[in-house]
Amino acid sequence: GDSVTQMEGPVTLSEEAFLTINCTYTATGYPSLFWYVQYPGEGLQLLLKATKADDKGSNKGFEATYRKETTSFHLEKGSVQVSDSAVYFCALSKGSSNTGKLIFGQGTTLQVKP
Amino acid sequence: GEEVAQTPKHLVRGEGQKAKLYCAPIKGHSYVFWYQQVLKNEFKFLISFQNENVFDETGMPKERFSAKCLPNSPCSLEIQATKLEDSAVYFCASSQSGSNQPQHFGDGTRLSIL
Repeated sequence: GDSVTQMEGPVTLSEEAFLTINCTYTATGYPSLFWYVQYPGEGLQLLLKATKADDKGSNKGFEATYRKETTSFHLEKGSVQVSDSAVYFCALSKGSSNTGKLIFGQGTTLQVKP
Repeated sequence: GEEVAQTPKHLVRGEGQKAKLYCAPIKGHSYVFWYQQVLKNEFKFLISFQNENVFDETGMPKERFSAKCLPNSPCSLEIQATKLEDSAVYFCASSQSGSNQPQHFGDGTRLSIL
């Protein structure tokens, strides 16, 4: 079945460090890919998305590129801030014939220290 | 409204009691999704609706879980005869269309079964 795998956390970085959170997927067809962020006690917020191969999603300094050849959608940010501390979820959703349900990775906790 | 509104924020029930959770999707969104978050990070899809019709219920435990989305009323998720393992945070999300569109999440209902 379809699945998403994220790198294990927690990831601990100093402020202004470079961030990479790896995400790979297994899916038939052409899924859309998403990164969601969850702050403590809150629901998921969409961070960025990409709907086809080679698309780059970006938002708030974060970016990820849909790589079909490596089935990956790694999240990157050039300089993290303490306020970026949260849990990050990679997810996929299938195409027009599917229900649109999200299939999530296991989440990666990011802690940024001053 | 402009946000997905879930009530209550926290619900405590004794084992064997009934629990009912509510979700008001964003106005104009046709699709509603329910997810269960257990073990802090793991998200499991439960059910989705297109307007008041069940769209995909492949994630629903058949025996004790039920859900409805009726016109002019909040959607609801009901668990009969709750078990300890039902303790989780239940998230509702809505989207304009089911496929490849971002889902907007509520802040969740934390269900604690004692």
